[in-house]
Amino acid sequence: NAGVTQTPKFRVLKTGQSMTLLCAQDMNHEYMYWYRQDPGMGLRLIHYSVGEGTTAKGEVPDGYNVSRLKKQNFLLGLESAAPSQTSVYFCASSYRSSGEADTQYFGPGTRLTVL
Amino acid sequence: KQEVTQIPAALSVPEGENLVLNCSFTDSAIYNLQWFRQDPGKGLTSLLLIQSSQREQTSGRLNASLDKSSGRSTLYIAASQPGDSATYLCAGPPERSSASKIIFGSGTRLSIRP
Repeated sequence: NAGVTQTPKFRVLKTGQSMTLLCAQDMNHEYMYWYRQDPGMGLRLIHYSVGEGTTAKGEVPDGYNVSRLKKQNFLLGLESAAPSQTSVYFCASSYRSSGEADTQYFGPGTRLTVL
Repeated sequence: KQEVTQIPAALSVPEGENLVLNCSFTDSAIYNLQWFRQDPGKGLTSLLLIQSSQREQTSGRLNASLDKSSGRSTLYIAASQPGDSATYLCAGPPERSSASKIIFGSGTRLSIRP
């Protein structure tokens, strides 16, 4: 049981380049989330999914797209990277909505630098 | 807009001391609350989850309480150890079924001196 895994762990992009971050979970969780963590700002929700084939916007969705084609995978895409997207990205999953008192499980993070 | 404040931002204490970390929400509406631990360069690990009908939760040397009327939570760590050194974050949604509205604090960076 690997829990939540993220690939890649590190990435450096140039402005305007694109990339996809992959999150996978093997706990059969319905809900999955993408967060970004910036110094002094805590974690902010980018997008989330409440089940296979669904996605929804979080607090800071601009410049990102997501897909949930398979229940175990949640992809985060940057179509045209900008320096403001330099951050650490975390994926999380939970069996039910956190509003229904369920623990979120986090991946180890992806450190992205956009030059 | 709901904001979460964690006080202090950083704390350094000698090994063996008991300590309290604080978390407060500007809007006292909070449905449930979770405390996480984050080690440098790592993801978040859930420590305690206080459900909406509960006032506190305990796990080993950790005790978390939630006062929903004031929108405040505390994490009590007993007999601190160097291995407790990490950043501690609190988070919670303002209402039930709010997957998109979980608000995280920016954390308290804790250092336990041997």
